[in-house]
Amino acid sequence: DGGITQSPKYLFRKEGQNVTLSCEQNLNHDAMYWYRQDPGQGLRLIYYSQIVNDFQKGDIAEGYSVSREKKESFPLTVTSAQKNPTAFYLCASSLGAGGVSGKQYFGPGTRLTVT
Amino acid sequence: KQEVTQIPAALSVPEGENLVLNCSFTDSAIYNLQWFRQDPGKGLTSLLLIQSSQREQTSGRLNASLDKSSGRSTLYIAASQPGDSATYLCAVSRGGTSYGKLTFGQGTILTVHP
Repeated sequence: DGGITQSPKYLFRKEGQNVTLSCEQNLNHDAMYWYRQDPGQGLRLIYYSQIVNDFQKGDIAEGYSVSREKKESFPLTVTSAQKNPTAFYLCASSLGAGGVSGKQYFGPGTRLTVT
Repeated sequence: KQEVTQIPAALSVPEGENLVLNCSFTDSAIYNLQWFRQDPGKGLTSLLLIQSSQREQTSGRLNASLDKSSGRSTLYIAASQPGDSATYLCAVSRGGTSYGKLTFGQGTILTVHP
């Protein structure tokens, strides 16, 4: 089955700890994205990557970091500098600039709770 | 800065009713517009994507229209069913160097009761 996997589904951390969320895709997509969703709100873009070894900040990148060493993987680290890390995190991918439609496919999400 | 607004925030209808969800955006320089469905605690499922050069797209009981000049899109759901209950999100994409960057509305929570 082709798709996007995110792990774990639920993650609990103590304040002050860094935590890394996993995102893997086997769709052979060039572009990958990280979004954050807070209760009752739409999604906000954290980071995106249009190609391996390259990534750009989205609208709310402060307190987050990413890497894109492999085409199929785009891990997100939530650092202790992120003031309000508790949220639902969604990863997505698309064909990238070479794709016609720009349709994005989403993973099932990771719910992070920091206490 | 692009802003996306969805009206209404919540909608409750009886089964079988036809309904319309609205989405407006402030910057008409978009690459495409997508409608998504989100079930509680789940990821997003893409429903329809309309390129900036298109006026509408249809899939089964769903029809989405786009009026780029006025900054509006509507999602029409025909003969609604309880299984349609979910949050519906619209998002617009920028082109050029910002290709793929989506700006989302806050969503419409739809409840279809038997």
